[in-house]
Amino acid sequence: DVKVTQSSRYLVKRTGEKVFLECVQDMDHENMFWYRQDPGLGLRLIYFSYDVKMKEKGDIPEGYSVSREKKERFSLILESASTNQTSMYLCASSTPGTVNEQFFGPGTRLTVL
Amino acid sequence: AQTVTQSQPEMSVQEAETVTLSCTYDTSESDYYLFWYKQPPSRQMILVIRQEAYKQQNATENRFSVNFQKAAKSFSLKISDSQLGDAAMYFCAYRSLSSGDKLTFGTGTRLAVRP
Repeated sequence: DVKVTQSSRYLVKRTGEKVFLECVQDMDHENMFWYRQDPGLGLRLIYFSYDVKMKEKGDIPEGYSVSREKKERFSLILESASTNQTSMYLCASSTPGTVNEQFFGPGTRLTVL
Repeated sequence: AQTVTQSQPEMSVQEAETVTLSCTYDTSESDYYLFWYKQPPSRQMILVIRQEAYKQQNATENRFSVNFQKAAKSFSLKISDSQLGDAAMYFCAYRSLSSGDKLTFGTGTRLAVRP
């Protein structure tokens, strides 16, 4: 079975802190994605990566950065957390190909105080 | 940019009955893919069903089927013989050939199943 894991299920941080959210997949997928999920807004793409060291901005990249040093790991970084970044963050991975499904991690619920 | 609209924030169905979740999308492209994902409470999002736009036949996966109306840009999900385990958030998603592997999601429909 494909497995996508995220480093924390719940995280509480202070405004201004640097936050790292880690995602690891074990299926050798080239593609990895970071979304945020908010009630009434669905899932919105923050960043994605097609390969190691490659990244592209999604629809809402402001305030975020990413890192992909190894194929299986994709990190989302909040350089200076703000309260409006309180949200559920979902990581996903897939093999290239538009018909292929994305496999999701369990999510990290981040609260910024 | 493509948009996906799910006009039903919440739905409810009696166990063993049938329910239909609606999804419409806006695109100028002719080739694309559509997906329904399910997110159970506190569990990971999983794929329910997918449809290729060039296929006229509606996709079916066991109790789940879609009604794909390309001209109307409509992609509804029908769940037959609803079970308690079907209770979840359901997201409709669109992927165009030109956007690579990125998905555009709708806002979701929360489905409750009454015993």
